[in-house]
Amino acid sequence: NAGVTQTPKFRILKIGQSMTLQCAQDMNHNYMYWYRQDPGMGLKLIYYSVGAGITDKGEVPNGYNVSRSTTEDFPLRLELAAPSQTSVYFCASRRDGNQPQHFGDGTRLSIL
Amino acid sequence: EDKVVQSPLSLVVHEGDTVTLNCSYEVTNFRSLLWYKQEKKAPTFLFMLTSSGIEKKSGRLSSILDKKELSSILNITATQTGDSAIYLCAVEPHTGNQFYFGTGTSLTVIP
Repeated sequence: NAGVTQTPKFRILKIGQSMTLQCAQDMNHNYMYWYRQDPGMGLKLIYYSVGAGITDKGEVPNGYNVSRSTTEDFPLRLELAAPSQTSVYFCASRRDGNQPQHFGDGTRLSIL
Repeated sequence: EDKVVQSPLSLVVHEGDTVTLNCSYEVTNFRSLLWYKQEKKAPTFLFMLTSSGIEKKSGRLSSILDKKELSSILNITATQTGDSAIYLCAVEPHTGNQFYFGTGTSLTVIP
């Protein structure tokens, strides 16, 4: 039972490059979330999804895009990487609105 | 704007001490409050508190929700070095399916 799996664990990008952070869960959860965590700033919600084909913006969506074509996968896309996007990114999922979130181990992203 | 504030920001105690961590919130149409423990990687779930479950306990950890004061406390008794972590508080309103996180309390337990 893998839970929530994020890849890659670490990545260094140059300014202007693009990349996709992968998130997959094997718990058949409907709800999935992407957060970023900056030092001393807590977790900020980027995007979330309540089911396949449905996505919504969170608090800090600018510079990111998501898609949810299957229940299992929720990739996060950075189109034009900027230094301000240097952060640790966490993906999370939960079964429904009465359950806590389960988190992946995170992706540490540096943009230079 | 919805807001979650945790205090203190950091705390250093000796093994065996008891600690109390605080979380206050200003969230429209409150649904639930959650506590997480974060060591090196992913936050791990500790407790979920709702209007129908305002007090939870697991071993040396316990948490209480005060809906009148819009706050919650997390107590850890007889602290151990393994309790060293960042403790995160998150609040979910009834609308929007989102969680709002505080900045966390960093707890260090010295042997």
